[in-house]
Amino acid sequence: DQQVKQNSPSLSVQEGRISILNCDYTNSMFDYFLWYKKYPAEGPTFLISISSIKDKNEDGRFTVFLNKSAKHLSLHIVPSQPGDSAVYFCAARLMNRDDKIIFGKGTRLHILP
Amino acid sequence: DAGVIQSPRHEVTEMGQEVTLRCKPISGHNSLFWYRQTMMRGLELLIYFNNNVPIDDSGMPEDRFSAKMPNASFSTLKIQPSEPRDSAVYFCASIGGGDTQYFGPGTRLTVL
Repeated sequence: DQQVKQNSPSLSVQEGRISILNCDYTNSMFDYFLWYKKYPAEGPTFLISISSIKDKNEDGRFTVFLNKSAKHLSLHIVPSQPGDSAVYFCAARLMNRDDKIIFGKGTRLHILP
Repeated sequence: DAGVIQSPRHEVTEMGQEVTLRCKPISGHNSLFWYRQTMMRGLELLIYFNNNVPIDDSGMPEDRFSAKMPNASFSTLKIQPSEPRDSAVYFCASIGGGDTQYFGPGTRLTVL
């Protein structure tokens, strides 16, 4: 039972264009959402997060949008760069469970030259 | 800061053998997590510790898996006996009061 779903296993985007990675969740008790980025042979690294009381958080080229009514969040990367090619994991934290987070299966992003 | 350290980076073993994976969290972090990554299931939480105490082991697949954290700077994940379906990348992560987990580089386990 996947509580955090990333339905696109992979995505290819032209360099310079916008990359949009999507994530859906089922548990309304999630109160904090995170995106992690993973390169081959390395562990995931934190990228950006958003609290459930917000609908948008921006950090440079990365913006995360949260639609609580739809239980959907997305990560926008503008403009996409070759170094953005990686696997992106969406993750969510349960309210009152401070440290435990649940990950999606990941989306592999390819930035095309 | 050296980050989260895992050893070995790669492990190849035969079915039935015991496997021990090791993790040293970031100094000062009080929570430690073990994850398993596979193509089919993505990144699964196996177990996590807070102040060296196991808090949630509901993700541990079966009794063949066990984890310990004897002190704040060391944890092990043991599989005994190992099976081919245990082949995966195992990650350790730690967190120290903030919102961000810091991951180690992972151990790639292959069980033949």
